[in-house]
Amino acid sequence: AQSVSQHNHHVILSEAASLELGCNYSYGGTVNLFWYVQYPGQHLQLLLKYFSGDPLVKGIKGFEAEFIKSKFSFNLRKPSVQWSDTAEYFCAVTLAGSSNTGKLIFGQGTTLQVKP
Amino acid sequence: GAGVSQSPSNKVTEKGKDVELRCDPISGHTALYWYRQSLGQGLEFLIYFQGNSAPDKSGLPSDRFSAERTGGSVSTLTIQRTQQEDSAVYLCASSLGGRGYEQYFGPGTRLTVT
Repeated sequence: AQSVSQHNHHVILSEAASLELGCNYSYGGTVNLFWYVQYPGQHLQLLLKYFSGDPLVKGIKGFEAEFIKSKFSFNLRKPSVQWSDTAEYFCAVTLAGSSNTGKLIFGQGTTLQVKP
Repeated sequence: GAGVSQSPSNKVTEKGKDVELRCDPISGHTALYWYRQSLGQGLEFLIYFQGNSAPDKSGLPSDRFSAERTGGSVSTLTIQRTQQEDSAVYLCASSLGGRGYEQYFGPGTRLTVT
């Protein structure tokens, strides 16, 4: 079965530190890739997505992610985090192909705590 | 515009009772998904509706779970004879289409089975 693995369960950083959250997926076919964020008390919202084209995608709030097909990875990065980035981050994939419904397969999530 | 809404926001029920959870998708969105977020299992897909097509029920964990979508809009997730392991946050999402479109999530319904 397809799965998504996030390597870091809980990350603690100081403000201005750089962030990289790992995400790997297991599926040999074409995928669409997403990072979602859930701020405390808020809905899940989309940070960025990759469907095709440039494997380096930029999202909201200064986040970016790079799709490396050979490594089945889609790591999330931010050069300088802020206290307001404290949240839970989810990597997710959907399987491309006409028979697929677009259901999201999520990783377990990474809790990011940024200390002021 | 209005986002995805869900009701109730919290539901506490006794083991063995039936519950209904409601989702109002964004107007014009033809695709609707239900997910479950629990401590042990993370975020899991439950069911998908797209227009008038047969729903994808492949994620429903047991036959106690069912869902309907009336008139291509509002959806209701029903859990019969609730069990403690059903305690979770149930999330609804909608999108303009299925595969290839961004999903917009509602605030969820926190279900606690005592």
